[in-house]
Amino acid sequence: AQSVSQHNHHVILSEAASLELGCNYSYGGTVNLFWYVQYPGQHLQLLLKYFSGDPLVKGIKGFEAEFIKSKFSFNLRKPSVQWSDTAEYFCAVTPPDMGRRALTFGSGTRLQVQP
Amino acid sequence: EAQVTQNPRYLITVTGKKLTVTCSQNMNHEYMSWYRQDPGLGLRQIYYSMNVEVTDKGDVPEGYKVSRKEKRNFPLILESPSPNQTSLYFCASSSYLEYNEQFFGPGTRLTVL
Repeated sequence: AQSVSQHNHHVILSEAASLELGCNYSYGGTVNLFWYVQYPGQHLQLLLKYFSGDPLVKGIKGFEAEFIKSKFSFNLRKPSVQWSDTAEYFCAVTPPDMGRRALTFGSGTRLQVQP
Repeated sequence: EAQVTQNPRYLITVTGKKLTVTCSQNMNHEYMSWYRQDPGLGLRQIYYSMNVEVTDKGDVPEGYKVSRKEKRNFPLILESPSPNQTSLYFCASSSYLEYNEQFFGPGTRLTVL
């Protein structure tokens, strides 16, 4: 079964620190990859996505992620975090076919940025 | 404004009392889906719909029903809620043109006593 692992459940950083959140998936075929963010009390918003092409993708708010096919990974990065980045981050994958299109989510990483 | 709306946002109910959570999107999306979010488990798909009158089970469908009579609406029905259905529920939608990029509603926090 397809699964997504997020290694860090809770990360605490100081402002201006660099961020890297790990995401690994287990799926044998081609996948589409996503990072979603959920700010406190809000719904999920798409940060960035990878369908094909350049494995380094840039998203909103200075976030980027790198798809490494050989490692089945799609880690999220940001060079310098801000207090406003405090949120929960979810990695998600789905096969690119026209079928069920269910996003399989990781369990999430709660990021706390201290001023 | 393009959006997915859900109602109610918060609901406290008792075991066995039927309830419906509504979901509506104004983007003319064909695909709609329901997820539940539980601590440590991420989001899991309950049901999905590829288009009007086409629905199918996701990963955790037990205890839920859905219907898709109109393109914009996709209500989630709990015929006999139980405490293990206490959760945060999200509706999502997407189009075939931007398939797999799903837009989420604001969530419905349900507590079943």
